[in-house]
Amino acid sequence: AQKITQTQPGMFVQEKEAVTLDCTYDTSDPSYGLFWYKQPSSGEMIFLIYQGSYDQQNATEGRYSLNFQKARKSANLVISASQLGDSAMYFCAMRSHTGNQFYFGTGTSLTVIP
Amino acid sequence: DAGVTQSPTHLIKTRGQQVTLRCSPKSGHDTVSWYQQALGQGPQFIFQYYEEEERQRGNFPDRFSGHQFPNYSSELNVNALLLGDSALYLCASSVLVQTGAQETQYFGPGTRLLVL
Repeated sequence: AQKITQTQPGMFVQEKEAVTLDCTYDTSDPSYGLFWYKQPSSGEMIFLIYQGSYDQQNATEGRYSLNFQKARKSANLVISASQLGDSAMYFCAMRSHTGNQFYFGTGTSLTVIP
Repeated sequence: DAGVTQSPTHLIKTRGQQVTLRCSPKSGHDTVSWYQQALGQGPQFIFQYYEEEERQRGNFPDRFSGHQFPNYSSELNVNALLLGDSALYLCASSVLVQTGAQETQYFGPGTRLLVL
């Protein structure tokens, strides 16, 4: 069974600082994909970044980077130079090679303080 | 390039009624997935459609059914509504990838359903 765990219900960060959102996962599949989504209060899930289980390098997309530690089964999201518009819920998700569905964590609420 | 669209944005129903939610996928996408997101929770997978057929289903009762049309748009139907069906219903579209786990799903704005 696939499982995503996000242990930080809420996080605060000062504007322009970096913040790390934690995500651990559990799977027995040898091949899988890890995703991060941002969900503002409007409700739409916005795709941020993807990391494949066989990727040698950590994924980066602009101010977003994924700290992937396969042996520890963790895929933490790092947001650099936080902006007020980064305030939102952040969800970690996993898709296995054999399945078609995404498994989501319970999310982390990020608040950026001016 | 239009993204994923959903209608309606909000809906209020009473227990026992039936509801139909609609989704149009992102241009070029052929696969549609539906998720239910209860308040304070992450999205839960309901089912996925490809080539007008249900490919996979999550742990949801038969009251939840769907359909995909030849133009790839999709409907989610929920019968005999319960109070617990109140949630944000998200539609996600993607391009079917036969192997690997790289398929990224793009989500619509969701439909907020309130059952009274």
